[in-house]
Amino acid sequence: DAKTTQPNSMESNEEEPVHLPCNHSTISGTDYIHWYRQLPSQGPEYVIHGLTSNVNNRMASLAIAEDRKSSTLILHRATLRDAAVYYCILRPTIKAAGNKLTFGGGTRVLVKP
Amino acid sequence: NAGVMQNPRHLVRRRGQEARLRCSPMKGHSHVYWYRQLPEEGLKFMVYLQKENIIDESGMPKERFSAEFPKEGPSILRIQQVVRGDSAAYFCASSLTRLAKTYNEQFFGPGTRLTVL
Repeated sequence: DAKTTQPNSMESNEEEPVHLPCNHSTISGTDYIHWYRQLPSQGPEYVIHGLTSNVNNRMASLAIAEDRKSSTLILHRATLRDAAVYYCILRPTIKAAGNKLTFGGGTRVLVKP
Repeated sequence: NAGVMQNPRHLVRRRGQEARLRCSPMKGHSHVYWYRQLPEEGLKFMVYLQKENIIDESGMPKERFSAEFPKEGPSILRIQQVVRGDSAAYFCASSLTRLAKTYNEQFFGPGTRLTVL
């Protein structure tokens, strides 16, 4: 599986935006970029995904570089409930590759009141 | 629509005992995945099952671990003769379809925290 690189941790103030970078320089043309997050003592939850175009949903926005070698998850207004570990994951679309998620170390986000 | 359910939420076993972890996927989901999270580590894929079939077990330890997803009932992750190194959080996820071209979000359960004394 293609590898992703994320900072270990980031801090943000409440109500401010958070930009979480992810490098994936070995991404292939068929890899989707997914983001999941894991709140303390809970299972991971889906945040957003994209292929080439920027994406928005109620939780976050995903900005994908033109060469797709990096992406940024944007939390527009961080709340205390957004404190979690955020994982950037590449998933191939080739059927034979299966459906498993390969989690890296993620970025631990701390939100300060 | 209830989410993915796992039980028990906490399980304590002594070395050498067996641990059985149960996972009920979301309604309508026929694909189940098990992941393990060792203390202070990231999540690692273990096994992917569809009803009555193991699709991918590349992350399962070769010995003592087994998984099933019968036609009726929950998926079971079974650990025989547990050792202290098996202490971890075990998460189950389910999804609607494995078709790779169609994104299918994995929905995770709350996990079972296994402690081996």
